[in-house]
Amino acid sequence: DSGVTQTPKHLITATGQRVTLRCSPRSGDLSVYWYQQSLDQGLQFLIQYYNGEERAKGNILERFSAQQFPDLHSELNLSSLELGDSALYFCASSLGGASHPETQYFGPGTRLLVL
Amino acid sequence: AQSVAQPEDQVNVAEGNPLTVKCTYSVSGNPYLFWYVQYPNRGLQFLLKYITGDNLVKGSYGFEAEFNKSQTSFHLKKPSALVSDSALYFCAVRDQTGANNLFFGTGTRLTVIP
Repeated sequence: DSGVTQTPKHLITATGQRVTLRCSPRSGDLSVYWYQQSLDQGLQFLIQYYNGEERAKGNILERFSAQQFPDLHSELNLSSLELGDSALYFCASSLGGASHPETQYFGPGTRLLVL
Repeated sequence: AQSVAQPEDQVNVAEGNPLTVKCTYSVSGNPYLFWYVQYPNRGLQFLLKYITGDNLVKGSYGFEAEFNKSQTSFHLKKPSALVSDSALYFCAVRDQTGANNLFFGTGTRLTVIP
């Protein structure tokens, strides 16, 4: 158990809908990362937050957004869902501001199925 | 831009034999390299990382990795494979811009045959 929690574990929804994925980082970690794992794209970095502020952005679609709250949990919002958004979404956390390379610890993921 | 490549989609090895999962990297500066393992229906588990120092890095569950700068490789190894090592293995490199996000390889599925 990494100490990173994600809810829900599974999500089934329809095209055009909006969903919210939630992540709680390990105790003491200030950075949260979101990754998408799909069969065709592999594991891709989406976005990072550090202590409430956006730190880095990857291949995140404009239909997707995220935020990190004062209690450091993070939410990933996916809107106008398409079939191709079906994937496993991982949250990871690390200690801090990453002036040096830090190990990221991953949650169990949320499996999203868009029908 | 930085990237890692895992040339083998699938590796099969007999239980008790040594195993190697290959990874090569491409970076413009110092490489910061990681190995993660993913078991079915689970998240990624950290195995080990190379930042600097000794080229042989020891990690969790008896795994180790050898950093080779001249061959730009970071192969994962274990002297004696267990059936329970069967999983999906990912090599990753840290973003060179200074952000801490990772760029992952395509993964190698390891099957240890009893």
